[in-house]
Amino acid sequence: EDKVVQSPLSLVVHEGDTVTLNCSYEVTNFRSLLWYKQEKKAPTFLFMLTSSGIEKKSGRLSSILDKKELFSILNITATQTGDSAIYLCAVPMDSNYQLIWGAGTKLIIKP
Amino acid sequence: DGGITQSPKYLFRKEGQNVTLSCEQNLNHDAMYWYRQDPGQGLRLIYYSQIVNDFQKGDIAEGYSVSREKKESFPLTVTSAQKNPTAFYLCASSIVGLAGAGAKNIQYFGAGTRLSVL
Repeated sequence: EDKVVQSPLSLVVHEGDTVTLNCSYEVTNFRSLLWYKQEKKAPTFLFMLTSSGIEKKSGRLSSILDKKELFSILNITATQTGDSAIYLCAVPMDSNYQLIWGAGTKLIIKP
Repeated sequence: DGGITQSPKYLFRKEGQNVTLSCEQNLNHDAMYWYRQDPGQGLRLIYYSQIVNDFQKGDIAEGYSVSREKKESFPLTVTSAQKNPTAFYLCASSIVGLAGAGAKNIQYFGAGTRLSVL
C-alpha cells in the first residue's frame, strides 16, 4: 500500500534555531514530492521535488530529495515565530491526480 | 484576483440535517477536490472531479455527496448519514489539461470551512 510518513509529528524550538522536517514515502512509480505550509487555514505550496540531490531554496527554507533512500527533508534556518505552522508533504499516486498526504509536522517556534 | 473561495467559514449542523459547503474557483482549473482534516491526521480525500459532470469517490466518501455542474463550482453536501461530521473541510483545485506533468500535481487550496455539530 502506498504511504507517506512524516516525522516528527510535532516540534517546539526557539526563535533562531534550525529545524529539519522529514518525509519518507513508499509510492508506486514515484514521480514527485510536494511540500506545503499550513498556518491557520489554506495549505500553501512551497516546493515540488522530482530529482535526487537538487536542492530547492526559498529564503530560509530549503528542501532536498533522496530517491534512493525514499525520503525528503525540509530545512528551515534562523526560524522566526511566523514559521509556526503545520508542514505537510504529499506524493502523487501513480494512476491519477490524487495526492497521498503525510499526517503533517506541527512546528511551534517560541520567541 | 484568482483563487478558490470556500463558504461559509464556520457552519453548524443540527442532528439529522444536511448541510452544503460551497467551493468556487476562478483559476480555470479542471480538477477539484474535497478533503477532510482532523487533528493529527493530515488530509483525507472525500471526493474529486476531473471534468464537469463527473466525479469519483475518495477514501472517505460515505455520508457525503457532491455535484459538478459547472467547471468553477464543486459543492459538498454533508448528509445526515455522516455521523461524525465535525472537522475542517478543505477544497482544492489543479490543472489537468495541457499543463506539464509536474504542474498537474500541484493543488491549490481554499481557506476552508469548519463544521461543528450542535
